Amino acid sequence: AQKITQTQPGMFVQEKEAVTLDCTYDTSDPSYGLFWYKQPSSGEMIFLIYQGSYDQQNATEGRYSLNFQKARKSANLVISASQLGDSAMYFCAMREPNDYKLSFGAGTTVTVRA
Amino acid sequence: EAGVAQSPRYKIIEKRQSVAFWCNPISGHATLYWYQQILGQGPKLLIQFQNNGVVDDSQLPKDRFSAERLKGVDSTLKIQPAKLEDSAVYLCASSSILGDYEQYFGPGTRLTVT
Repeated sequence: AQKITQTQPGMFVQEKEAVTLDCTYDTSDPSYGLFWYKQPSSGEMIFLIYQGSYDQQNATEGRYSLNFQKARKSANLVISASQLGDSAMYFCAMREPNDYKLSFGAGTTVTVRA
Repeated sequence: EAGVAQSPRYKIIEKRQSVAFWCNPISGHATLYWYQQILGQGPKLLIQFQNNGVVDDSQLPKDRFSAERLKGVDSTLKIQPAKLEDSAVYLCASSSILGDYEQYFGPGTRLTVT
């Protein structure tokens, strides 16, 4: 069964605007971790932000913030003030406590326009 | 601090040939992961090592794929014989302790099987 769902294959955003990338997840375990990674055309996966299931506040890292809605099983990434260098593939991933591997979604391609 | 190193970066082989990939994790990282990323999909874990022991290889096609991590540092992933559907990017990642929430990824090896 699909654990991570990213429904937006591609998105365009104007430079300096904000963009929201959707991610929904499926787990029956109360303890889990949610991650967002960026994959530029060079291929490496770059860790952006982490949200634990018991964290009371939404995670933020610079221009990245995670809109965590636990009841809806949603963990959307918000990129504020988009820059041309933000053009990349973005992956949402989940780690369950007894299963240390990361389960990734299919990804969303973001293209920032000047 | 040096990142995760992988080689080669690109490899083209014919089907039924064999190929090997090498990964050197971040110094001191006990946990090492190999992921397969098929074009247009998110990475999928193939095998996970803790030091030189296998933690999870449930998604490794063991009839053709093998991996080892001698001395708990470098790791090699081998495919023999390769099939067309093995064309993908093979990503190596490491983390400092089992379950550490941040995995650091290498640049990947892009394999094309013709």
